[in-house]
This record gives sequence, structure tokens and C-alpha cells, in this order.
Amino acid sequence: EDQVTQSPEALRLQEGESSSLNCSYTVSGLRGLFWYRQDPGKGPEFLFTLYSAGEEKEKERLKATLTKKESFLHITAPKPEDSATYLCAVQAGGTSYGKLTFGQGTILTVHP
Amino acid sequence: DTAVSQTPKYLVTQMGNDKSIKCEQNLGHDTMYWYKQDSKKFLKIMFSYNNKELIINETVPNRFSPKSPDKAHLNLHINSLELGDSAVYFCASSQDRAWAYEQYFGPGTRLTVT
Repeated sequence: EDQVTQSPEALRLQEGESSSLNCSYTVSGLRGLFWYRQDPGKGPEFLFTLYSAGEEKEKERLKATLTKKESFLHITAPKPEDSATYLCAVQAGGTSYGKLTFGQGTILTVHP
Repeated sequence: DTAVSQTPKYLVTQMGNDKSIKCEQNLGHDTMYWYKQDSKKFLKIMFSYNNKELIINETVPNRFSPKSPDKAHLNLHINSLELGDSAVYFCASSQDRAWAYEQYFGPGTRLTVT
């Protein structure tokens, strides 16, 4: 069974203090690993898809990386508006038919 | 323009009632999904439809019945509501199911069963 574990559960940063979020996964034949951002009371917002180990993607202050066992979401010089829950999800190959398996999320709070 | 929309946003009802949640996407996607997010914010897939055909049906009680009248709409009907059904339900869509396309989520429907 596919599993996704995110750490830490919660992270408090000062504005400008860079850090990383971790997503460890076990999946039979990774087809894609996804990062989403979720604000309170809203649906998850797509950030990145990573397909193979060694791949990296960037968007503003966020950078996602992928290895064969885990993914990191690096946040450089965060701002208060980066505060949100960050969700990681994997899609397996075979007959998964688009099924995403999510981790429990990391709640990020950035203080001014 | 709203890509994936759901109605209603909030739904408060009593145990035993039957209710429906509607979802529409204007992205031209072929595949739509229903997810449940529990009180611990854990998102879990319930159903997936591809071009009106059911392709994923996780271990969900048969009180939950999805219906897809066309590929832009996926509704969720729940019979005999129970306290444990209280959660936020998200609809999502993706371009296709055969590849790892990103899924776009609606704003969610918060269901409270009293």
C-alpha cells in the first residue's frame, strides 16, 4: 500500500528564516509526486509535480526536489503570506487511475 | 473564472437525512474525483470518474453514491447520514487519468451532521 509521511507536523519560522519540509514516501512505481498548498477554509492549490529522482522545480520562494525515497520543499526567505498547510501526494503507476495518496501535511506559520 | 466549483459551501443536517453535493469543472478535463478531508486534515480519495465512467471506488460505504451526468459534472449523494460523515468534501479534476496530471480542487463542502 502506498504511504506518504510528512515532517514536521508544524513549523514556525521568522520572516526571512529559510527551512525545508520533508515528504517520505513508499509507492510501487512512482508516476508522480505532487506538492499542494492549502489555506484555511479553501481547497488545495497545486504547486509542483516531480516525476523522477533528481528533478527540481522552483516557483518564487519555493523549490521542490525529489529522490527515490523522499521529496523536500525548500522555502527561501519566507514571508507571512507563505503561511499555509503544505501537502505532499504521490500517484503510483499501474492501475492507480489518477489516485493520489496524501500525507498529513505540514502546517507552516511565518511570523513577521 | 472558477475552475472547479462546488455547492453548497456549507451543509448542516441531521442524522438519517439524505443530501447531495454538486460539482462542476470548466477546465475541459476528462477525469473528476471526490475526496474526504477529516478533522485531522487528512485527504483521502473516495471516487473517480473518467468520461462518466466510475474508475476508482475506494472502501466507501454504499450510502455514498456518485453520479456523473456528463464529464463536466460529478455529484455526490449521501443516504442516511451518520455523525461520522461530518467532514469537508472536495471535488477535483484532472486532464486525464492515464498520466500524472495535476488535479485541481474545488473550494470544498463542509458537511456537519448533528
